[in-house]
Amino acid sequence: DAGVIQSPRHEVTEMGQEVTLRCKPISGHNSLFWYRQTMMRGLELLIYFNNNVPIDDSGMPEDRFSAKMPNASFSTLKIQPSEPRDSAVYFCASSLWAGRALEQFFGPGTRLTVL
Amino acid sequence: GESVGLHLPTLSVQEGDNSIINCAYSNSASDYFIWYKQESGKGPQFIIDIRSNMDKRQGQRVTVLLNKTVKHLSLQIAATQPGDSAVYFCAERGASYGKLTFGQGTILTVHP
Repeated sequence: DAGVIQSPRHEVTEMGQEVTLRCKPISGHNSLFWYRQTMMRGLELLIYFNNNVPIDDSGMPEDRFSAKMPNASFSTLKIQPSEPRDSAVYFCASSLWAGRALEQFFGPGTRLTVL
Repeated sequence: GESVGLHLPTLSVQEGDNSIINCAYSNSASDYFIWYKQESGKGPQFIIDIRSNMDKRQGQRVTVLLNKTVKHLSLQIAATQPGDSAVYFCAERGASYGKLTFGQGTILTVHP
């Protein structure tokens, strides 16, 4: 079992550029979560999907952030345009929604630095 | 200027000691709780979970205790090892079925 796969592992970009983070959930899992972790705010849920449908995006900071899940095995988190305050580690997690989502399995994260 | 960040609680123990990490949660309606371990440069890793209809659950070297009266959760690690050094997070699930809310974390350092 490969676990949750995220790419890239590290991203350094300049302010104003578009950033796309990618996630492949564990095969068979039907819930996917995007988190952001910073020293200031800890671990925050941005958005989660169930069966490829966004369920709760209340944690998405602003319109510069968007997430998609075109199929069960792939999701993207896009920031356009990026700003220095977006610098953080972004985690993707997946779980099996068996009536109620339980244990979430986290990927290794993408460390984003916006200069 | 100086950045202000979370000041995580820290716990420092000697190898072989037992460790107790505490967590206060906020939502009395939360029905499910998880402890995660996060090592440097890695994503959080599941340790143990407990449902709100239980007050204690044991795993291998770990025990989670839940006190709903005071909304308190604790993680006990027996015979702590250097490999246990990490940041430990508690998480609670409230009304939204899929949504976990994470605590700020506790840094555990185990000295050989």
